[in-house]
Amino acid sequence: DAGITQSPRHKVTETGTPVTLRCHQTENHRYMYWYRQDPGHGLRLIHYSYGVKDTDKGEVSDGYSVSRSKTEDFLLTLESATSSQTSVYFCAISGPTSGRVNEQFFGPGTRLTVL
Amino acid sequence: SQKIEQNSEALNIQEGKTATLTCNYTNYSPAYLQWYRQDPGRGPVFLLLIRENEKEKRKERLKVTFDTTLKQSLFHITASQPADSATYLCALETLGNEKLTFGTGTRLTIIP
Repeated sequence: DAGITQSPRHKVTETGTPVTLRCHQTENHRYMYWYRQDPGHGLRLIHYSYGVKDTDKGEVSDGYSVSRSKTEDFLLTLESATSSQTSVYFCAISGPTSGRVNEQFFGPGTRLTVL
Repeated sequence: SQKIEQNSEALNIQEGKTATLTCNYTNYSPAYLQWYRQDPGRGPVFLLLIRENEKEKRKERLKVTFDTTLKQSLFHITASQPADSATYLCALETLGNEKLTFGTGTRLTIIP
């Protein structure tokens, strides 16, 4: 398995609280991605990063922010969690080739419940 | 609007038969198409990639076709086994886009 971990693996929080999910890789891959997966919607891209401090929005970025201060870490923050953000969150990595996306390697996922 | 559809939410196939999954897309010009497998409670795992100028790609019991005229990819598992039971996702990449767009997946069950 690619060296990619996510923490926490499970979290229950209350509406209005801030939440930060962490993705850590040991592969030195350039690209990192955050997805959410919901029944009927499949995997949807929230944000992605193409290098340290270089990030861009995905399809469903509202209510989320990200940061990447080191190659190996990509943080996803919900500033004020809402019940609609209850989901399973996956981090993925890809690279190191630039110019096109290679296959992506996924982490084990974080199940987030917002009450 | 852009849309990716995978033929059915669930597909049941008898063991030993060939399972065929479909991925259709509209309003995309994908340069590459990828297929992933996802088991319950786990992240997707990459299986195969096919380029727009390739008609077919094989890997062991897996075969993928890509028809840019029909805007469709077919994913075949021959001599299917119960261990092939999983959800299969297709994903499109447009050139220079640096990201994938996923279909909603087909849950395949191989019946012994």
